[in-house]
Amino acid sequence: EAGVAQSPRYKIIEKRQSVAFWCNPISGHATLYWYQQILGQGPKLLIQFQNNGVVDDSQLPKDRFSAERLKGVDSTLKIQPAKLEDSAVYLCASSSYHLQGERANVLTFGAGSRLTVL
Amino acid sequence: GQNIDQPTEMTATEGAIVQINCTYQTSGFNGLFWYQQHAGEAPTFLSYNVLDGLEEKGRFSSFLSRSKGYSYLLLKELQMKDSASYLCALRRDDKIIFGKGTRLHILP
Repeated sequence: EAGVAQSPRYKIIEKRQSVAFWCNPISGHATLYWYQQILGQGPKLLIQFQNNGVVDDSQLPKDRFSAERLKGVDSTLKIQPAKLEDSAVYLCASSSYHLQGERANVLTFGAGSRLTVL
Repeated sequence: GQNIDQPTEMTATEGAIVQINCTYQTSGFNGLFWYQQHAGEAPTFLSYNVLDGLEEKGRFSSFLSRSKGYSYLLLKELQMKDSASYLCALRRDDKIIFGKGTRLHILP
C-alpha cells in the first residue's frame, strides 16, 4: 500500500510570510493527524480529523494556524503569518478507524515537511 | 491531562542490552505505544501494549504496568542501526500523545 504523502519536504520563509503543507493519507484511513515536532522534542498534536470532521484542535494556535480536510481525504495545514518559533517538522499521520487489536490507532507517518522561518 | 516522562538521552554498547523507561500520569488510558525515529526521518511503529505484561518481538520487547503508570522498551543485541530516538506515546480514546523521546546512542 502507498504510504502517507506530504509536500513540500522543505520550506524556508521569512517571518510574517505564509506557508501551506499538503498531506494525502493512506487510502481508506479515516483518521488524519497533524503533528508539530520541534528539534529534539517529541511530536505535538496540532489537529486530528475523523473523515472531514475535527476531533481535536485544542493545541492548534488558531490565530495563525488553520487546517482543513474538505472531502475527508487529503488535508492542508496553513500558517499565516509565520513566527520564528514555528520552525519545526510538520508530520502528517493517518490511521484506520476500523482496525482492531494491536493495529488499532497505529499511526503511519509521512516523511514530514521541514519548515525554517528566518 | 497527561504527563509522560522519558530520559532525554542514553548510551549503550553494540551487542549489549538497554532498557528505556517511560512513566506517565493520565486521567484516561487505552494503551501505550513505542515508536522509533531515526534522525531526519518519520517515526515508525514498534509496539503497542494494552494489558499488563511483556510483549516480545524479536530483539525488542515492551512491558507495561497500568497500575504503576510505567512502561519500558527493552532492546537486546544492540546494533549500530538502533541509534535513534525512541518515543513513548499514550492512547487515550482516539488521541495519541507523545512523550519527548529518548535519544539512544550506540557505541562500537
